[in-house]
Amino acid sequence: NAGVTQTPKFQVLKTGQSMTLQCAQDMNHNSMYWYRQDPGMGLRLIYYSASEGTTDKGEVPNGYNVSRLNKREFSLRLESAAPSQTSVYFCASSDWESSGANVLTFGAGSRLTVL
Amino acid sequence: TQLLEQSPQFLSIQEGENLTVYCNSSSVFSSLQWYRQEPGEGPVLLVTVVTGGEVKKLKRLTFQFGDARKDSSLHITAAQPGDTGLYLCAGKAYTNAGKSTFGDGTTLTVKP
Repeated sequence: NAGVTQTPKFQVLKTGQSMTLQCAQDMNHNSMYWYRQDPGMGLRLIYYSASEGTTDKGEVPNGYNVSRLNKREFSLRLESAAPSQTSVYFCASSDWESSGANVLTFGAGSRLTVL
Repeated sequence: TQLLEQSPQFLSIQEGENLTVYCNSSSVFSSLQWYRQEPGEGPVLLVTVVTGGEVKKLKRLTFQFGDARKDSSLHITAAQPGDTGLYLCAGKAYTNAGKSTFGDGTTLTVKP
């Protein structure tokens, strides 16, 4: 049971280049998320998809686009990378528990450096 | 606006000591989760608390949800080097349109 799989694990880009981070989950979860994690700033939500066919902006969506390709896959695209987008990116998925809690399962992260 | 404030930000202690990490907010949460993250990995769920005043124990870790559901604490008894990591609280506030928000985390180092 792989859980949440992200690719690539590491990537170095030059300013202005584009790239797509891929994420897939095998837990049949309805909701998927993209977060970025920077030192001292915790996890900040970029975009999320509450269910297949829907996407919504999070706290820091500028400079990013997402695609919920199907129930399993949720990709994050940087159209024109900037040094401020240097970060570790985490994909997560979730489903609502009977208690009403929304528990996230995370991937291992993708470390992106923009020069 | 940071909905969840964690303290302390950094904590370095000796093996065998006790510690408490706090997660506070002015907002009411329907539930709170605690995650632990090791270097190079994603956060992993430790516990979920949903009822005001609830206390949950996980071996040497004790989690408490405040009566008003605005705060939570994590207490570790007799810390071990294996407890080293980043501890994150997260939750869904009634005022945040159903989106989970994370605290900035507490980096714990337990020295042998």
